[in-house]
Amino acid sequence: KAGVTQTPRYLIKTRGQQVTLSCSPISGHRSVSWYQQTPGQGLQFLFEYFSETQRNKGNFPGRFSGRQFSNSRSEMNVSTLELGDSALYLCASGAATDQETQYFGPGTRLLVL
Amino acid sequence: AQKITQTQPGMFVQEKEAVTLDCTYDTSDPSYGLFWYKQPSSGEMIFLIYQGSYDQQNATEGRYSLNFQKARKSANLVISASQLGDSAMYFCAMRPIQGAQKLVFGQGTRLTINP
Repeated sequence: KAGVTQTPRYLIKTRGQQVTLSCSPISGHRSVSWYQQTPGQGLQFLFEYFSETQRNKGNFPGRFSGRQFSNSRSEMNVSTLELGDSALYLCASGAATDQETQYFGPGTRLLVL
Repeated sequence: AQKITQTQPGMFVQEKEAVTLDCTYDTSDPSYGLFWYKQPSSGEMIFLIYQGSYDQQNATEGRYSLNFQKARKSANLVISASQLGDSAMYFCAMRPIQGAQKLVFGQGTRLTINP
């Protein structure tokens, strides 16, 4: 069974631009969660999508948004990029049952200049 | 609110020794799950082990075991017979059993295995 895939793996943008990151979960998984990892703040939850609906949202500004498609693939978008958005963005895939663990993808490293 | 505390920013261990990584947690949820992940320098978070708050026995997965002490709210990771490839960041995390799959992470422990 293929694991979680994220594209692109690396990205360089400039302030004010927008970016879209993609995540494909493990086959059969319907939950996709996004996390931001920075040296200063550690790992922080962005949002979770389940069956195309946002089920939970972290404490991030509205510049951060996401969506999930009918095939469970998810995208997150960050508009009007700021230097502080430079981070590793990790996507996690989970099954329908609450007891299941979450499996992470390799992450997308975003650098904002 | 949930909180995870990992008090060891870094640990250095000799190869083949056992190592314990500390994790304490705080939550008001009646049932919850505790997780350990390994993050090598490549960045990917690798799932290691899971313990449910209702589990009577400590979880084990190969060389990994979780020392779960519910009354003390601790969920320490024990790695037996450490290997050079175990050098990485280790994160303890938790989330409620029911509801959204939102993991709360600790700050992590950087483990270095010396030959």
